Amino acid sequence: DTEVTQTPKHLVMGMTNKKSLKCEQHMGHRAMYWYKQKAKKPPELMFVYSYEKLSINESVPSRFSPECPNSSLLNLHLHALQPEDSALYLCASSQLQGAITDTQYFGPGTRLTVL
Amino acid sequence: AQKITQTQPGMFVQEKEAVTLDCTYDTSDPSYGLFWYKQPSSGEMIFLIYQGSYDQQNATEGRYSLNFQKARKSANLVISASQLGDSAMYFCAMRERGSTLGRLYFGRGTQLTVWP
Repeated sequence: DTEVTQTPKHLVMGMTNKKSLKCEQHMGHRAMYWYKQKAKKPPELMFVYSYEKLSINESVPSRFSPECPNSSLLNLHLHALQPEDSALYLCASSQLQGAITDTQYFGPGTRLTVL
Repeated sequence: AQKITQTQPGMFVQEKEAVTLDCTYDTSDPSYGLFWYKQPSSGEMIFLIYQGSYDQQNATEGRYSLNFQKARKSANLVISASQLGDSAMYFCAMRERGSTLGRLYFGRGTQLTVWP
């Protein structure tokens, strides 16, 4: 089972709203990732959690706040977003074996529109 | 310098034909892994195939095979017997042994369209 789930599938929010994106995996993976993807572009890494601790923050603005409540769950809290933050947000997970074979498995994404 | 280069923004192939999607990479790390992902218009990134730098044989997964030419630093994806459902964006990606915590470097992608 290589399933990563994300909710919601679509989200429309105003610039003053607070919302959260959720990601879940049950593959026993110890690394989880948030990516942002604009149309026709490759995904851009935002955050990496390793063993439930934030290990990479790619200089993401503080209006994006990640949280990893446990090894299966990953949240992305959104506050005071800008229209340019509209994008597809992808969650991924991997074994974190430290090997080059470590494969990231992605969820279906959340399409975010900021009005 | 870009670590992954995909020079074909778009490719067109007729159903049942084979198609090759190009990918070249740039690394000085002797140990690395190469991945191909498919992204349909629905958005999900689907893992297709993996090739390790020390693998002697080209990877194959069903209709997908990876034409790995290490000296030329190329890792082209070959899709045999194309199907309409293969229409999607395809991304080549690389992970270096020395990279931090599974960082993947993606190419810009190739949009494949399969026509009947």
